[in-house]
Amino acid sequence: GAVVSQHPSRVICKSGTSVKIECRSLDFQATTMFWYRQFPKQSLMLMATSNEGSKATYEQGVEKDKFLINHASLTLSTLTVTSAHPEDSSFYICSAKSSGAQGTDTQYFGPGTRLTVL
Amino acid sequence: QKEVEQNSGPLSVPEGAIASLNCTYSDRVSQSFFWYRQYSGKSPELIMSIYSNGDKEDGRFTAQLNKASQYVSLLIRDSQPSDSATYLCAVKNTGNQFYFGTGTSLTVIP
Repeated sequence: GAVVSQHPSRVICKSGTSVKIECRSLDFQATTMFWYRQFPKQSLMLMATSNEGSKATYEQGVEKDKFLINHASLTLSTLTVTSAHPEDSSFYICSAKSSGAQGTDTQYFGPGTRLTVL
Repeated sequence: QKEVEQNSGPLSVPEGAIASLNCTYSDRVSQSFFWYRQYSGKSPELIMSIYSNGDKEDGRFTAQLNKASQYVSLLIRDSQPSDSATYLCAVKNTGNQFYFGTGTSLTVIP
């Protein structure tokens, strides 16, 4: 199956710093990638949809100036959490859409990045 | 009404039994349906996709789709403790939007 990587897998930072998370599709090109956040024992929450070469589409309630998304190539999207605060501590997961024949597009998830803000 | 609905569980089955997970969706013209498995602390992993009515089997897993009734299910035969996880149902509509259910927690009791 298609492979998606994320880096780093875990990051601990001080309050007020910025953290960049990379999401890469390793064996396929992804015009669309998604960024999710998941708090403990809660369901996935879609934060934004990232399209290569254009601005990301953010879900309601997600601050675009705080969560900067760049999808500069067909295999790489980055999420930067700016001026992180303890309430931003969460599990951030990206996924990449693999396009298939006759509408068989599928999302494949990266392994996630656990962010802890002290 | 949510786009995709699942019973949150928890669902408990004894080892060796069949686990049945159900999902309903609201958009009648949805085209693609997926089941993901998520272990605690890990990201979701795709286990099955189904696009047409009927059954699709892959090893111990069988996905069932009924577009008329707008439901999709996942059967796990010979359940193992390692199947204990949260199972997410996802639906892609004609607008290429993916919707995820909140997941059903499954525990297989040895």
